[in-house]
Amino acid sequence: DAGITQSPRHKVTETGTPVTLRCHQTENHRYMYWYRQDPGHGLRLIHYSYGVKDTDKGEVSDGYSVSRSKTEDFLLTLESATSSQTSVYFCAIKQGADTEAFFGQGTRLTVV
Amino acid sequence: AQKVTQAQTEISVVEKEDVTLDCVYETRDTTYYLFWYKQPPSGELVFLIRRNSFDEQNEISGRYSWNFQKSTSSFNFTITASQVVDSAVYFCALSEYGNKLVFGAGTILRVKS
Repeated sequence: DAGITQSPRHKVTETGTPVTLRCHQTENHRYMYWYRQDPGHGLRLIHYSYGVKDTDKGEVSDGYSVSRSKTEDFLLTLESATSSQTSVYFCAIKQGADTEAFFGQGTRLTVV
Repeated sequence: AQKVTQAQTEISVVEKEDVTLDCVYETRDTTYYLFWYKQPPSGELVFLIRRNSFDEQNEISGRYSWNFQKSTSSFNFTITASQVVDSAVYFCALSEYGNKLVFGAGTILRVKS
């Protein structure tokens, strides 16, 4: 199995609080991605990274920020959580353009 | 901009039927990669296949086969003689050379015994 770990696996937080989700990899893959999965919408890209300190927005980036200060960690921050951000969040890693992505086990976030 | 459309939201079949899951993509790049993933009820995402834009050969792996047609921008997935264990959500995905990886909305496949 690809060495990719998401933490926490489950979190309940209150509206308006900041939340940070962590994705950690041991594969030294260059590319890392954050997705959210909601019924009827599939996997939607939030942000992705193509190297240390190199990140770009995905299709649903509003309300989220990311940071990648070292190859192995990609952090997703909800600056002020809202109920619409209740979702399952998946992190993925990818070695190169022509390779498949490997996914973490997901983080279930509930904003109350 | 890149886009993946899986028009079939949900498909129900009886065991041993063949089923085809449709995937249509949009891209402006000439070099791109297409993928299929399976998400069983347990929730993990399992890689099934990768295809690059220069390889239009169809592929068969056991009961699974994939039909890639650049002329119609489609990358369809067929399961032959479906089984209950095939019940899952199936995602098609597209990666352009810039490595932004986008997914379709997924197709829920229910195989009944």
